[in-house]
Amino acid sequence: GQQLNQSPQSMFIQEGEDVSMNCTSSSIFNTWLWYKQDPGEGPVLLIALYKAGELTSNGRLTAQFGITRKDSFLNISASIPSDVGIYFCAGRNAGGTSYGKLTFGQGTILTVHP
Amino acid sequence: DGGITQSPKYLFRKEGQNVTLSCEQNLNHDAMYWYRQDPGQGLRLIYYSQIVNDFQKGDIAEGYSVSREKKESFPLTVTSAQKNPTAFYLCATIDRTYGYTFGSGTRLTVV
Repeated sequence: GQQLNQSPQSMFIQEGEDVSMNCTSSSIFNTWLWYKQDPGEGPVLLIALYKAGELTSNGRLTAQFGITRKDSFLNISASIPSDVGIYFCAGRNAGGTSYGKLTFGQGTILTVHP
Repeated sequence: DGGITQSPKYLFRKEGQNVTLSCEQNLNHDAMYWYRQDPGQGLRLIYYSQIVNDFQKGDIAEGYSVSREKKESFPLTVTSAQKNPTAFYLCATIDRTYGYTFGSGTRLTVV
């Protein structure tokens, strides 16, 4: 199946620092989503992007849908200890037999040192 | 509260056994999905169902089976044909904004 290349695989930062991660694909997506997963739990949706070039913020989080539709990035400003977790990007194509199916990146493991 | 309930939280399987993971939702969503999560590999789609009595194979369906007899329920059976079943299994539905709502997962371990 399709694969998304998400980077970096892991990050170790100090509290207060900004974080940036991104996803790239060889295929075009109509929707980009960013999720956060805490240990032993299911992922929770952070930001959804529906239009090429769209820049969306949710508190300290900002995400962009790349103009080419083949990439997206997520920034976290002024990190805090509760930002720790695994962050996933996901892409979706509309229509056909792939209704609702998301393709996920491999995840970015974020560790924040107080 | 509306949501997705997965059970059990932890499950242990002996070699050669079939086990069934439960997924129930009260969100009134039509489509439901099963994903498998392994370290460093993200989430991979096992099966999905768009409506009752219909389901489709995902990318890694071999060794798994599902049923969709009710809108609220989408159980996943891990059969003995699945040679490496130890993983974290996630059930999800999709809402009108095309975002997934995930359950809290079931961790399956072969003993």
